[in-house]
Amino acid sequence: ETGVTQSPTHLIKTRGQQVTLRCSSQSGHNTVSWYQQALGQGPQFIFQYYREEENGRGNFPPRFSGLQFPNYSSELNVNALELDDSALYLCASSVGQGSGEAFFGQGTRLTVV
Amino acid sequence: AQRVTQPEKLLSVFKGAPVELKCNYSYSGSPELFWYVQYSRQRLQLLLRHISRESIKGFTADLNKGETSFHLKKPFAQEEDSAMYYCALKRKGRYSTLTFGKGTMLLVSP
Repeated sequence: ETGVTQSPTHLIKTRGQQVTLRCSSQSGHNTVSWYQQALGQGPQFIFQYYREEENGRGNFPPRFSGLQFPNYSSELNVNALELDDSALYLCASSVGQGSGEAFFGQGTRLTVV
Repeated sequence: AQRVTQPEKLLSVFKGAPVELKCNYSYSGSPELFWYVQYSRQRLQLLLRHISRESIKGFTADLNKGETSFHLKKPFAQEEDSAMYYCALKRKGRYSTLTFGKGTMLLVSP
């Protein structure tokens, strides 16, 4: 059984650019959630995907978008990057639309300059 | 909307001392409460959940609906308990996601 893996681990982007972060879910998990963790804060829910459909979204603007693929891996896309988007982005996978235990990846550290 | 509050950013204790990490929540319904832990250079992982009513690594947490609290306790802290601890709430039902507190750093000194 493999755990949740995220890529890349670190990334530096310029304000206004676009970024794509990737997540491979744990084997057997069909639900992926994305969280943003700013420095000194707890993780904040961005959105959740279940069987390739978004089924929950937090208080984030539309420039945060995502995809889930048939193998349940997922992407988080952020357009028009702002300095405040600098954060650790966490992916978590689970079964049953979030009702099961969430297993987290190690995160992607995004720095916007 | 639900909210989770962890009033202490840092809790520093000596080895063998009792530990209590505070967590209060606000939610109009009946929530599920969790404690997650992040050790240095490791990923966030589930420590315990209130519905399982179990003790993990000597830690326990009791849901107090009257006080809307879910404090994490351990009678005798160990150095390896040093980590970041997050309290989290999940609404019951489908499409449920986690709402986290800001976290408390626990430092256990020898």
